[in-house]
Amino acid sequence: NAGVTQTPKFRVLKTGQSMTLLCAQDMNHEYMYWYRQDPGMGLRLIHYSVGEGTTAKGEVPDGYNVSRLKKQNFLLGLESAAPSQTSVYFCASSFGGGIQETQYFGPGTRLLVL
Amino acid sequence: AQSVAQPEDQVNVAEGNPLTVKCTYSVSGNPYLFWYVQYPNRGLQFLLKYITGDNLVKGSYGFEAEFNKSQTSFHLKKPSALVSDSALYFCAVRDIGPGTYKYIFGTGTRLKVLA
Repeated sequence: NAGVTQTPKFRVLKTGQSMTLLCAQDMNHEYMYWYRQDPGMGLRLIHYSVGEGTTAKGEVPDGYNVSRLKKQNFLLGLESAAPSQTSVYFCASSFGGGIQETQYFGPGTRLLVL
Repeated sequence: AQSVAQPEDQVNVAEGNPLTVKCTYSVSGNPYLFWYVQYPNRGLQFLLKYITGDNLVKGSYGFEAEFNKSQTSFHLKKPSALVSDSALYFCAVRDIGPGTYKYIFGTGTRLKVLA
C-alpha cells in the first residue's frame, strides 16, 4: 500500500515548456486534489476531482489543466510554464465525505521554472 | 466566504512546556476541521480532525485540539512539547454544505521547540 505517490520529485523547466505531473493513489479514493505551496501562502487549491472523469477549478486554476481518466490517477498539466509557476506541488486524495473524511498527501513535486 | 486564519507565523516553546498553535475559521455552515503537520521536504501528514461529537479531539503524537463554536476556533495543543515536534502546522476547514468539496488551508505556523 503505497498511499499517494507523485512523479517526478523535482523538475526544472524553461519558460514556455510544457510538462505533466502524475499523481497516483491506491486507496480507492473518490476525491483527488492538486495544491501548490508557496512561502507564506499556505496551500492553495489548483484543481480537484470528485470522481473518475470529473474535474473542477479550485482557487488558482489559471495556467493549469487536469485530467482524471482513471480513478487512481490525477494528472496536472502545464501547457506553457511561467516563472510564477515555480512552486512545490502536492497531490492529495480522500474518500469524499462523512466521518472518514481525511486528506492523504503525496510527497510533493518541486518545480523550478527558469 | 470560507476562511482560515493562523495568526502566528511562528511559535517558540521550550521542551517540556505546553504548546498551543492557534486557528480560527469562518464558514457558512458546520465545518469539518483538521490539523496537518509538515516536516521538512515532506508532504502533509494528518494529525487530527473534528467532524462531530466531543469538542476535545485527540490525535497523533499526543496532540489534541478543542473545537469552540462560539469563538470559531480550533486551537492545537500538547501538554509537553518535544524537540521532534518542531515542524510546520496547518489548520484546514472543509465546508460540508451541499456541493462543496474544497478544503481551505491556513498559511501555516512554524513551531520551534527549544531544547
